[in-house]
Amino acid sequence: EVQLVESGGGLVQPGESLRLSCAASGFTFSNHWMHWVRQAPGKGLVWVSLINNDGSSRKHAEFVKGRFSISRDNAKNTLYLQMNSLRAEDTAVYHCVRDLSGSFWGQGTRVTVSS
Amino acid sequence: EIVMTQTPLSSPVTLGQPASISCRSSQSLVHSDGNTYLSWLQQRPGQPPRLLIYEVSNRFSGVPDRFSGSGAGTDFTLRISRVEAEDVGIYYCMQGTQFPCTFGPGTKLEIK
Repeated sequence: EVQLVESGGGLVQPGESLRLSCAASGFTFSNHWMHWVRQAPGKGLVWVSLINNDGSSRKHAEFVKGRFSISRDNAKNTLYLQMNSLRAEDTAVYHCVRDLSGSFWGQGTRVTVSS
Repeated sequence: EIVMTQTPLSSPVTLGQPASISCRSSQSLVHSDGNTYLSWLQQRPGQPPRLLIYEVSNRFSGVPDRFSGSGAGTDFTLRISRVEAEDVGIYYCMQGTQFPCTFGPGTKLEIK
């Protein structure tokens, strides 16, 4: 069974940092592209970042460029999102997603940025 | 950035009746590799999204055959042949042809 389990969210103040993790199991992690997608409370889905299967190619949404960085450790079957200089508008549930099609989604980890 | 629009934004449907959601992209979603990376996702209340349809018309594993997708270029449609109570939720189209990936605003399906 495919499982994606996010962790690392929490309440932080503006300007602070967080590192999200996504533990993958039930499939060959190193064969799949992975994304982060976020959903603000009561809002729609917004794509954040993508990384290809071996980590050699990474793409980020314009609104997080220079602040967020996606990475992966295929030996540990884990996806990461390093988030720096957090802003109130980054408040959302962050989902780990497998494949360009969005084949599997984790339950998400909640990030709240507030003073 | 490719903008995705959906109609309607809200769809009250009678149980057992069909439902249809339209998704339109601001540019063609045909990738240079010949594929069209248009997916349909369902988000039930309190749940993460779930893939229903990928590459326009391919039903994902475990998805009931009452769900079908069609379309080409910039115009796409998700159809539910007979709506069931468990189909209540928000439906999103998503394109992965061009970065950034973008989503439609969502269509809320509810039972009359």
